[in-house]
Parts: sequence; structure tokens; C-alpha cells
Amino acid sequence: EAGVTQFPSHSVIEKGQTVTLRCDPISGHDNLYWYRRVMGKEIKFLLHFVKESKQDESGMPNNRFLAERTGGTYSTLKVQPAELEDSGVYFCASSDRLDEQFFGPGTRLTVL
Amino acid sequence: AQKITQTQPGMFVQEKEAVTLDCTYDTSDQSYGLFWYKQPSSGEMIFLIYQGSYDEQNATEGRYSLNFQKARKSANLVISASQLGDSAMYFCAMGSLGNQFYFGTGTSLTVIP
Repeated sequence: EAGVTQFPSHSVIEKGQTVTLRCDPISGHDNLYWYRRVMGKEIKFLLHFVKESKQDESGMPNNRFLAERTGGTYSTLKVQPAELEDSGVYFCASSDRLDEQFFGPGTRLTVL
Repeated sequence: AQKITQTQPGMFVQEKEAVTLDCTYDTSDQSYGLFWYKQPSSGEMIFLIYQGSYDEQNATEGRYSLNFQKARKSANLVISASQLGDSAMYFCAMGSLGNQFYFGTGTSLTVIP
């Protein structure tokens, strides 16, 4: 069974540009989560999808971040326009149970 | 409020020795889970071990064991017989029933040959 995959693994962009991160959850997992780790700090929750619906988006930092999960399969996280403080590692996780989450390898975003 | 605290930013251990990584948590939920993840330099998050709040026995998975002390709200990870491949960042996390996970700031473990 394939695990959670994320694309790209690394992204380097300039301030003001747009970046779209993609997450493919484990097949059949209704729950999909996005997290972010800024350098040296804890991993913080961004949002939670149940199928295609946003269950909880309380962690989204501002309206420059837009997450979608069309059809309840893969999800995208778009940052537009990117700022320097958006640099970090973005993790996606999926689950089919309420008490366990499987994490993807993360996307390392660097905004210059 | 939910909070995870890892007070050891960096730890060193001699190969083949045991090491304990500390984790304390704060929650008002009655039912929750505690998790440990390993993040090697390659970046992926690897699930290590899980402890449910109602589990009476401490969880064990191979060389990993979780020292769960509910009254003290602590969930320390014990790695026995350390190996060089254990060098990585270790994150403690707490989650409850489909909600988001809360993570600590992590502990960087270095195993010395």
C-alpha cells in the first residue's frame, strides 16, 4: 500500500510568487491534514479535510493560503503571494481512523 | 488548551545505551492519544509508537517503549540499545478523536559510536 505522497519535495521561490503544494493521501483515507513546521519551532496544524469538506481550518495563518480537496482525493495548498515567513516544511497527513495519522515526507518551501 | 512540551532540544547517547526523551502534555480531554514520530535528516515523519489515554499498559514497539504516567501528564519515549541510525529529530504529539495533532518542538538525538 502506497503511503502519503507530497509534491514537490523542495520548492524555492521569490517573495511575491505563487506556489502550489500537492498531497496524495493513502487511498481510502477520508481525513487529510496539513501541518507546517517553521525552522526551530513546533509543527503546527493548518487545516483538516474530511473528504472534500473543510472540517477545521483554524490553523490557516491568513488569506494568502488556500487549500482545496476536489473530489475528496488529493489536496492542494496554494500560497499566494508568498512571504519570507512562509518558509518551512509543509507536511500532509491522512487517516481513516480517528486516532492515528500517517504523514507524508513533507515539502520544504524556501521563500527568498 | 492543548500543549505538548519537549524540554530537551538536543540529546547525546552512546551506541548500545538506552536513552529517554521527555514529553509532557496538557489537555482537558478525557480521551486522547499520544504519539512519537522520528524525523531523520531525509525529512519524512516516521511513526514510532502510540499510547491511548485509557491504556493501562505502557506501549512497546521493538526497541521503543513509552513510559506513560497519566497523573503526571508525561509520555516519555525510551529507546533501548541505541543504534547509529537512531540519530534524528523526535517529536511527541497528542491527538484526540479526529482532531488536529499538537506537536512539541522536538528533540534532536545524536548517537555516538
